[in-house]
Amino acid sequence: NAGVTQTPKFQVLKTGQSMTLQCAQDMNHNSMYWYRQDPGMGLRLIYYSASEGTTDKGEVPNGYNVSRLNKREFSLRLESAAPSQTSVYFCASSLGLSQGAYEQYFGPGTRLTVT
Amino acid sequence: QKEVEQNSGPLSVPEGAIASLNCTYSDRGSQSFFWYRQYSGKSPELIMSIYSNGDKEDGRFTAQLNKASQYVSLLIRDSQPSDSATYLCAVRSRGSGNTPLVFGKGTRLSVIA
Repeated sequence: NAGVTQTPKFQVLKTGQSMTLQCAQDMNHNSMYWYRQDPGMGLRLIYYSASEGTTDKGEVPNGYNVSRLNKREFSLRLESAAPSQTSVYFCASSLGLSQGAYEQYFGPGTRLTVT
Repeated sequence: QKEVEQNSGPLSVPEGAIASLNCTYSDRGSQSFFWYRQYSGKSPELIMSIYSNGDKEDGRFTAQLNKASQYVSLLIRDSQPSDSATYLCAVRSRGSGNTPLVFGKGTRLSVIA
């Protein structure tokens, strides 16, 4: 099993450009999450999907959109990138918030720089 | 706002010593507690989970939970330079439906050879 995979690993964007970060898991997990991590700020939740067909905002959703494409895939879109979105983005998954299994497993991350 | 607090460190310990990492949380209704290890430039990796008061041991790691004091800790025995990393505490509240884990900002541990 690959676990949680993310593409791309690195990306440089110019201000105003758009892009989609891809995340997939092969653990048959129901819940998926997107975080950003900045120095001194810890992990901050952007959006999450408790189950296929549902998405909810986290702590810092502004400037982002998400799509739960199917049970395996959860994408994060930046419509108009800003320098403040320069960060490391992590996708994570868990078996199921509704099933009492809360351990989250993380992907390797995407390092995004917006110039 | 539910909060999880950790000392940012760095916590420096000599090789072979016990490293003690601490975490406090604000929501008394919290039920599930996790410790993650994050090496520089890598993603967080789950190392321990604990749900009941008391100690839980896994190899060189021991998690300790005291719900009355709203305190969870991680002890690392016989610390090795390879344990040098940032350790994140994560907490889930009871009855919060689909609310995900709340993470602390992490404590940076440095094990000196």
